[in-house]
Amino acid sequence: SSELTQDPAVSVALGQTVRMTCQGDSLRNYYASWYQQKPGQAPVLVMSGKNNRPSGIPDRFSGSTSGNTASLTITGAQAEDEGDYYCNCRDGSGHHPFGGGTKLTVL
Amino acid sequence: QVQLVQSGREAKKPGASVKVSCRASGYTFSHFGITWVRQAPGQGLEWVGWISAYSGDTSYAQKVQGRATMTTDTSTSTAYLDLRGLRSDDTAVYYCAKSQDYFDTSGPSPKGFRRLEAWGQGTLVTVSS
Repeated sequence: SSELTQDPAVSVALGQTVRMTCQGDSLRNYYASWYQQKPGQAPVLVMSGKNNRPSGIPDRFSGSTSGNTASLTITGAQAEDEGDYYCNCRDGSGHHPFGGGTKLTVL
Repeated sequence: QVQLVQSGREAKKPGASVKVSCRASGYTFSHFGITWVRQAPGQGLEWVGWISAYSGDTSYAQKVQGRATMTTDTSTSTAYLDLRGLRSDDTAVYYCAKSQDYFDTSGPSPKGFRRLEAWGQGTLVTVSS
């Protein structure tokens, strides 16, 4: 079982705001990174650290951490944001497990 | 631009070995790590392990510990994942990713994190009798 817990599925109306969460004890000591994956494609980094967006990722993506929970928020979700989102974080043994993933549907 | 190009799909029998390669370009290979991630059909991402291209240090997931060996060849900017004693549950798409560790001191509690900044296209490894 994953040491990072994510909701299996979330939906959001087009243009609305959605928050995806990732829970785990390791998040008290390390920041998470977030990856978006679309069907048949390799994952893409969308957020890391306290709130660091790689170049090319729209500013509607933002990140935050509080206690043992990391969040990825999309403000004004677009159809192209549909996909699976995975959090990833170091654990106490130096490994970097992924969360189980959240499937985002934009309605 | 950064590119990671992986070797082609493999079909193996249980108990066999497979070696997947990942050739990097567009950055100084020895300055970064390579993380290996796999994804079984219809499943989520699974961290397999990491190697420093600088020092050769490695870290392996428990599921592959003792069966996997990660290496790098800095002369060709290529990383390799060698997996032995293949089982049916090793069937997956294997990805390599350029990885870098950071330390964020901007908040009240400085914390580290790792970014997988660029990914290979994936290599399908099928294990079946």
